[in-house]
Amino acid sequence: DGGITQSPKYLFRKEGQNVTLSCEQNLNHDAMYWYRQDPGQGLRLIYYSQIVNDFQKGDIAEGYSVSREKKESFPLTVTSAQKNPTAFYLCASSTGGTGANVLTFGAGSRLTVL
Amino acid sequence: GQQLNQSPQSMFIQEGEDVSMNCTSSSIFNTWLWYKQDPGEGPVLLIALYKAGELTSNGRLTAQFGITRKDSFLNISASIPSDVGIYFCAGPGTGFQKLVFGTGTRLLVSP
Repeated sequence: DGGITQSPKYLFRKEGQNVTLSCEQNLNHDAMYWYRQDPGQGLRLIYYSQIVNDFQKGDIAEGYSVSREKKESFPLTVTSAQKNPTAFYLCASSTGGTGANVLTFGAGSRLTVL
Repeated sequence: GQQLNQSPQSMFIQEGEDVSMNCTSSSIFNTWLWYKQDPGEGPVLLIALYKAGELTSNGRLTAQFGITRKDSFLNISASIPSDVGIYFCAGPGTGFQKLVFGTGTRLLVSP
């Protein structure tokens, strides 16, 4: 079955460490996204990529970095510069064509900074 | 920037009751999406609306695209315990293929 796989599901990190969250999709979607979710808030866009080797900052990109070397993969690195990294991170993808606002989400990765 | 306001923020109901929630925008949308998020999981698309006035059903769920194009409504009939979760509305953000999400309505259903 086609879908989006995020790993790890749970991750603990010490302050000052970088951590990379994996996102892989087999939907053949061109566009991929990373959202951050905090309790009581909606989903906020961190980065998005419309096509391989291209990505754009979202609304809260500071302290994060991404790469898009393959169509299927869009890893997110949470750097030590991110002031409050503890959150639930969601990866998503879309077809990338006209009217392609419908996103398919992965199951999420919960990052806790100790 | 664009904002979506959802209400109510949370609801605690008895199994079998009907549920209504809504979403309003500060700007006009040409698409409204409703997602449901189960605890600890990613959101799943429930209903997509593409035309003002459109009324679309998916089982016990019915959603409407408001005439003003600045609001949308989601109704759940005869709720069951598995309806528990957070319901998000979403619409196109500024720029290519970006979505803006509401703050969510948390639904709890008592058996």
